[in-house]
Amino acid sequence: EPEVTQTPSHQVTQMGQEVILRCVPISNHLYFYWYRQILGQKVEFLVSFYNNEISEKSEIFDDQFSVERPDGSNFTLKIRSTKLEDSAMYFCASFRTGVYGYTFGSGTRLTVV
Amino acid sequence: GENVEQHPSTLSVQEGDSAVIKCTYSDSASNYFPWYKQELGKRPQLIIDIRSNVGEKKDQRIAVTLNKTAKHFSLHITETQPEDSAVYFCAASIRAGNQFYFGTGTSLTVIP
Repeated sequence: EPEVTQTPSHQVTQMGQEVILRCVPISNHLYFYWYRQILGQKVEFLVSFYNNEISEKSEIFDDQFSVERPDGSNFTLKIRSTKLEDSAMYFCASFRTGVYGYTFGSGTRLTVV
Repeated sequence: GENVEQHPSTLSVQEGDSAVIKCTYSDSASNYFPWYKQELGKRPQLIIDIRSNVGEKKDQRIAVTLNKTAKHFSLHITETQPEDSAVYFCAASIRAGNQFYFGTGTSLTVIP
């Protein structure tokens, strides 16, 4: 079964540092998403991406965040200057019309110290 | 925006019993409602979903019901097994490709 893959699985970074979280969506999917889940809390939407541009974003996705699809396979989330409250599990997801429900990746646990 | 509430937050049942998790939503434009199961430290996985033109959908031991008038939908798991133990999240969306609004999750424990 096709999977969404994310790297790294765990990243520890100093507050104020930039991080890039990487995702490889399922190859024939056209819609891509980033969600985050703070420990013990619900999954929260960050951003969706389609046709090489952001289609929706939440209030969480401020100027410190950016997304990019640098090539035909990778989809990245960049946090420019990390804060302690950015510590969370970040999930990438992808979707193809005609198939209901996203497929989530296995997540990157980001710890900001 | 959409607000999804989920109850209960924790649920313990004896193996073989049924479990019911309920969600309500606020936006009448929502018409796609997936349920995700998340085991500890793992990704959410879609277990069943329902669209607003359907009142009930069943897949083996799992069923989902939707009452669009009352804006609530429920997950029913029958003949529960220990491997059903996980956190279950409901979600609502205008369309399957739009952002999902997740509920706060229900931690289900099935006691052998």
